[in-house]
Amino acid sequence: AQSVAQPEDQVNVAEGNPLTVKCTYSVSGNPYLFWYVQYPNRGLQFLLKYITGDNLVKGSYGFEAEFNKSQTSFHLKKPSALVSDSALYFCAVRDMNSGGYQKVTFGTGTKLQVIP
Amino acid sequence: SQTIHQWPATLVQPVGSPLSLECTVEGTSNPNLYWYRQAAGRGLQLLFYSVGIGQISSEVPQNLSASRPQDRQFILSSKKLLLSDSGFYLCAVKTSGRTYNEQFFGPGTRLTVL
Repeated sequence: AQSVAQPEDQVNVAEGNPLTVKCTYSVSGNPYLFWYVQYPNRGLQFLLKYITGDNLVKGSYGFEAEFNKSQTSFHLKKPSALVSDSALYFCAVRDMNSGGYQKVTFGTGTKLQVIP
Repeated sequence: SQTIHQWPATLVQPVGSPLSLECTVEGTSNPNLYWYRQAAGRGLQLLFYSVGIGQISSEVPQNLSASRPQDRQFILSSKKLLLSDSGFYLCAVKTSGRTYNEQFFGPGTRLTVL
């Protein structure tokens, strides 16, 4: 079975400060990991993914995420937050060895609030 | 790149009425298709997925059903809506090929059952 946890319901950060949104996962094999962002009343938008290789993954809008296998984490980061980054962020995982139709498990989401 | 259309964008329906939500995809062939429901603006619940025409798998037993009459058309239906069916319904697509391909989401349908 695979699962993903986003331990923070909400993260508040001042504009211009670095931000981190946390995600931990559990899979029986090796993971594919994803981050999505959702603005109010919109569908989710893909930000970035980890497949293999370099542990630091760069994505859209200046976001990056660091894969840490020993801590089973995939935290989302950005060096300098913008007010426009305020949104709901979802982490997702798929077990590389799950086969079948490739089900992805989503976290419960973390609301990011960037304060001007 | 693919484009995902969902309609209607919003819907208000009385309890006990039928439902039909449609999702169509452009720009890709033989995709995996998914219906999710998001309640209270938070977690995503996978309802159905399809790997091909006429192939539907249900994740959660409930009064909803899905169909895929064409390669790039995915329909979510109900014969009788319940209050608990209210939510934000999202269609998603994963292009065929690489197993690590990400999903792309449509704009969603906001359903309110009164």
